[in-house]
Amino acid sequence: GEDVEQSLFLSVREGDSSVINCTYTDSSSTYLYWYKQEPGAGLQLLTYIFSNMDMKQDQRLTVLLNKKDKHLSLRIADTQTGDSAIYFCAERLSGGSYIPTFGRGTSLIVHP
Amino acid sequence: EAQVTQNPRYLITVTGKKLTVTCSQNMNHEYMSWYRQDPGLGLRQIYYSMNVEVTDKGDVPEGYKVSRKEKRNFPLILESPSPNQTSLYFCASSPIEGSYGYTFGSGTRLTVV
Repeated sequence: GEDVEQSLFLSVREGDSSVINCTYTDSSSTYLYWYKQEPGAGLQLLTYIFSNMDMKQDQRLTVLLNKKDKHLSLRIADTQTGDSAIYFCAERLSGGSYIPTFGRGTSLIVHP
Repeated sequence: EAQVTQNPRYLITVTGKKLTVTCSQNMNHEYMSWYRQDPGLGLRQIYYSMNVEVTDKGDVPEGYKVSRKEKRNFPLILESPSPNQTSLYFCASSPIEGSYGYTFGSGTRLTVV
């Protein structure tokens, strides 16, 4: 079966880097996603990584994938107060069934 | 603008009074899904649909119904709402193939009293 685990909270100081971690159990994952949910809003796709990649960078965001340990991380450089949100990790499995599994979300709190 | 539109955004109702939350997408996506979000439990899938007239249960389908008569619409029906269905509901859609993640609606905050 599949399971996606995330820590529930992360607190960082403005200007520091944030690292949000996620572990998954199913090795047949094809794509792994990070979503951001701001207060009162729906989830917004931030970035994704294909399972044959180790790293993906997009401006302040860096995604690292360690397939051996089934570990995914999202690093946000120069974290701003506007980055305060809940971040969800999700995996999509190969094999034709598009039913992604979401983690419970990590609440990122950015303080001055 | 490509989007998923849910209505209403907020709804307060009484136990047992049937209600429908509508969901519509304008991206010609095959896949649509309903989730509920509760504190500490994350997102839990209620129902999903891989295409027109094809629906299937998610993790928490009890007390809900859906239909997919047209590709763009995927309404969520609560025949007899109960207080334990008080939650934040999200509709989402995606193409079946490719790397695309979900596009989510803005959510419907439902309170059943």
